Amino acid sequence: NAGVTQTPKFQVLKTGQSMTLQCAQDMNHEYMSWYRQDPGMGLRLIHYSVGAGITDQGEVPNGYNVSRSTTEDFPLRLLSAAPSQTSVYFCASTPGGQYQPQHFGDGTRLSIL
Amino acid sequence: DAKTTQPPSMDCAEGRAANLPCNHSTISGNEYVYWYRQIHSQGPQYIIHGLKNNETNEMASLIITEDRKSSTLILPHATLRDTAVYYCIVRGNRDDKIIFGKGTRLHILP
Repeated sequence: NAGVTQTPKFQVLKTGQSMTLQCAQDMNHEYMSWYRQDPGMGLRLIHYSVGAGITDQGEVPNGYNVSRSTTEDFPLRLLSAAPSQTSVYFCASTPGGQYQPQHFGDGTRLSIL
Repeated sequence: DAKTTQPPSMDCAEGRAANLPCNHSTISGNEYVYWYRQIHSQGPQYIIHGLKNNETNEMASLIITEDRKSSTLILPHATLRDTAVYYCIVRGNRDDKIIFGKGTRLHILP
């Protein structure tokens, strides 16, 4: 049971490049979400999903796409990276029942030059 | 927007109880209060949650006021390893967005 696995752990991109941040969980959790955390700030919700085939926007969705084709995976896509997207990205998952806590991955540290 | 407000920072002497307050005056009847903490740049770690009764586990205690408009997380014997940012969150329905506020940065003083 690996929990929530995020890859890569570190990435440097040039402005305009695209990339996908991977998130996988092996706990059969229905709810998954992506957050970004800028230096000295709290976590801000980007997108979330309540189950396979269902996604919705969070607080700061612009510049990011998501899809949820399986219960296990919830990738985050940056279509055209901008320096403002330099941040630490966290993925989290929660069991489908109500009132269950979130489990977080270790984060992906992304720098856009 | 976050449904909770917390002081931006607090200090606590090592070995003493750390009491972290959280206001959630607009909480609705089916919303639980959750606490997480984030040590340095690691992923947030779940601590405890509750609805209306006080809760205790191996990490902490959670005291929720009778009107449920505020709560306090208690770390009974704070150590230097408890230095972290602590987040208080409310959540009700299973499909709710889970929004973090700015949290409280807790400094444990040796």
